[in-house]
Amino acid sequence: ETGVTQTPRHLVMGMTNKKSLKCEQHLGHNAMYWYKQSAKKPLELMFVYNFKEQTENNSVPSRFSPECPNSSHLFLHLHTLQPEDSALYLCASSQDQARTQYNEQFFGPGTRLTVL
Amino acid sequence: QKEVEQNSGPLSVPEGAIASLNCTYSDRGSQSFFWYRQYSGKSPELIMFIYSNGDKEDGRFTAQLNKASQYVSLLIRDSQPSDSATYLCAVRGSYNKLIFGAGTRLAVHP
Repeated sequence: ETGVTQTPRHLVMGMTNKKSLKCEQHLGHNAMYWYKQSAKKPLELMFVYNFKEQTENNSVPSRFSPECPNSSHLFLHLHTLQPEDSALYLCASSQDQARTQYNEQFFGPGTRLTVL
Repeated sequence: QKEVEQNSGPLSVPEGAIASLNCTYSDRGSQSFFWYRQYSGKSPELIMFIYSNGDKEDGRFTAQLNKASQYVSLLIRDSQPSDSATYLCAVRGSYNKLIFGAGTRLAVHP
């Protein structure tokens, strides 16, 4: 266990559904991240929050909407997704997003999303 | 050119041998380098990080960094079947982004 939890672990949804992914970290970190991992592709950074403020949106389509109510919780709201959005969605946290090299990221177990 | 490149493998090594995993990166301003291990169906787990040129050893793992050649490697000594996984190289570049390679799949056979 890394101290980062994600729910649900598996999600199947239709293209017209609305669902949310939840991430919680118990490490006292201040930065949280959403990544997408598709088969045989590198991890793709989607969003970064640092001290609850969004600091990065990596040109993610608007059908993905992040929310960070506090430094311990991060959500990813999903609506009108496409089949190509099927992937493993990983949440990570780190101490903060400061420009220091000592800033390892710890990953949650991921949510395996299938869009029908 | 990809920002972080890894051979996808699979790299197959016999049990007890040394597994050598390689990674090259394009951003000369990169300062921090990480190796993550990811078992099938699981999330990435940090196993090593290195910031300075040279070698860094931790148990059976040795990370090697050569900034002039923009090259970082991971050596696993006395490879075990339990080391079979995908190894992700990650590089923190000039803009403080952590960029991942696509990973190298390692298979250790008895």
